[in-house]
Formats: sequence, structure tokens, C-alpha cells
Amino acid sequence: NAGVTQTPKFQVLKTGQSMTLQCAQDMNHEYMSWYRQDPGMGLRLIHYSVGAGITDQGEVPNGYNVSRSTTEDFPLRLLSAAPSQTSVYFCASKGPNTGELFFGEGSRLTVL
Amino acid sequence: DQQVKQNSPSLSVQEGRISILNCDYTNSMFDYFLWYKKYPAEGPTFLISISSIKDKNEDGRFTVFLNKSAKHLSLHIVPSQPGDSAVYFCAAVTQGGSEKLVFGKGTKLTVNP
Repeated sequence: NAGVTQTPKFQVLKTGQSMTLQCAQDMNHEYMSWYRQDPGMGLRLIHYSVGAGITDQGEVPNGYNVSRSTTEDFPLRLLSAAPSQTSVYFCASKGPNTGELFFGEGSRLTVL
Repeated sequence: DQQVKQNSPSLSVQEGRISILNCDYTNSMFDYFLWYKKYPAEGPTFLISISSIKDKNEDGRFTVFLNKSAKHLSLHIVPSQPGDSAVYFCAAVTQGGSEKLVFGKGTKLTVNP
């Protein structure tokens, strides 16, 4: 049982480039989400999805796009990378218990 | 506006002593609270939770206390062990809503041998 798998683990981009962070879970969870972690800022919600075909914005959605075509996958797209998007990104899914998220190992993104 | 606050960025304790991590919240709609633990280069992992209908929940060495009137919760670790050294995040959610978890900024706990 792999849980939540994120790829890539590390990525360096130039300003203006686009890329997709992949997230997959094998626990058949309906709820999935993306967070970013920045020093001194904690974990901030970017986008989330309560099921296939349904997505919604979190606290810091600007500059990011998501889609949910299957229960398993929840990719996060950076449309035109900016240095302010340098961060560690975590994907998480939620099981039946309130608030209990299962996180991936994180993707460290640097935008030059 | 920060809805979940952890005002201590760091805490250092001796092995075997009690660690107390604090968290305050401002949104009275929150009715479920959780603590997550995070080691470097890993994702956060769920540690313990408490519903607003309780004032205490215990799981082994970890106990969470909730004071609803003060909008304050705390995590007690007794006895503290070096393996407990990690960043601890407090989180809050409104049950039955969008299930969006709101996290605090975290407290880095160091347990010295």
C-alpha cells in the first residue's frame, strides 16, 4: 500500500516556465488537497477536491490550477512559475475520519 | 487573519520531562482539532485529535486538552523522548463543512538527551 505518492521530489524551474506536480493515492479517498509549506508560514491550502470532477480553491490558489478526472489522481499545475512559488508542496488525501489527512512526502520546488 | 495560532516557534525540553505545546484559535465555528507531527524531509503525520464536545483526549504519552471558552488547546507529551523532536502543527476544522483544515505555523520541539 503506497499511500500518497508525489512526483517529482525536487524540481528547479525558471521564471515563466510551467510544470505539473503529480499526486496519486491508492486508498480510494474522495477528498484530496494540495498545501504549500513556507518558512514561518505553516501549511497553507492551495486547492482541494471532494471527489472526481469537483475542485475548489483554498487559501492561496492564485497561480495554480488543478483538475480531478479520477479518484486516484490530483495534479497541481503551475501555469507560469514565479519566484514566490518557491516552496515545498504537499499533497494529502483524507479518509473517513474528520480532519485526518494522509500526506505525501513533499515536492521541493525552486523557481529562479 | 490567522485563525489558528501557535505563538511559540520553538521549544526545548530535557528527555523524560513534559513537553507542552500550545495553540489558540479565533474561529468559533471550529469544532474539531488535530495535532500533526512532521520530521524533516517527510510529510506531516496525524498524531491525535479532539472534538469540541470533549475537553481531553489521551493516547499513550500524548494528551490533548481543549478549553473552548478560551479558544485554546494544548498538547502534552509525557515523558518526552528524543524521537519526539519534530515540528508539531495544530489544525482545526468545522465538521460537516468543506472539511478544509486550517493549520497553525508550527512549533519545533527539540528533546535533548
